[in-house]
Amino acid sequence: DQQVKQNSPSLSVQEGRISILNCDYTNSMFDYFLWYKKYPAEGPTFLISISSIKDKNEDGRFTVFLNKSAKHLSLHIVPSQPGDSAVYFCAASAGGGNNRLAFGKGNQVVVIP
Amino acid sequence: DGGITQSPKYLFRKEGQNVTLSCEQNLNHDAMYWYRQDPGQGLRLIYYSQIVNDFQKGDIAEGYSVSREKKESFPLTVTSAQKNPTAFYLCASSIGTQPQHFGDGTRLSIL
Repeated sequence: DQQVKQNSPSLSVQEGRISILNCDYTNSMFDYFLWYKKYPAEGPTFLISISSIKDKNEDGRFTVFLNKSAKHLSLHIVPSQPGDSAVYFCAASAGGGNNRLAFGKGNQVVVIP
Repeated sequence: DGGITQSPKYLFRKEGQNVTLSCEQNLNHDAMYWYRQDPGQGLRLIYYSQIVNDFQKGDIAEGYSVSREKKESFPLTVTSAQKNPTAFYLCASSIGTQPQHFGDGTRLSIL
């Protein structure tokens, strides 16, 4: 049973524009959410996280928004750069980033120069 | 330079053979994890260990075994009981409430 869902498996965006990735979850016990970025044949790299006590967290070009009532979060990348072309995974846990994570299937982002 | 080392990067084995994937970290992290990724799928947790000499099953532990005799090492054995072992295997580690840090993975192919 997929507890973390990422629809729209791929996204193409022009360089300089905004990329928006969406993630939905079903487990109401999740209280910590993360985004990871992954290049082919490499391990995922942590990008940004948000605790359920917040509704927004920003780090440079990356912003994550959390809507707890809708069990939905999104990642905004602005402006998008060619180096952002990768697969982005949404993950969630109950009790912090060091606990067992449930991952979504990932979104492929292609940034067109 | 601290990090997680998974070796080898590519591994081939004959059907019916057990195979052990290596994961070593020099980050002084307490917790370690093994995930499996299949094409078009997210990462699924196989086993995890919060401290030395202790580990728990994840969501897809059947056909796998682990050991945690040292803090730095968390080897994963894919046994012949695993029905579909061909996959990309990722090891991760973490400390405190910090996000998990991943290695670069081992791609296992069963011939």
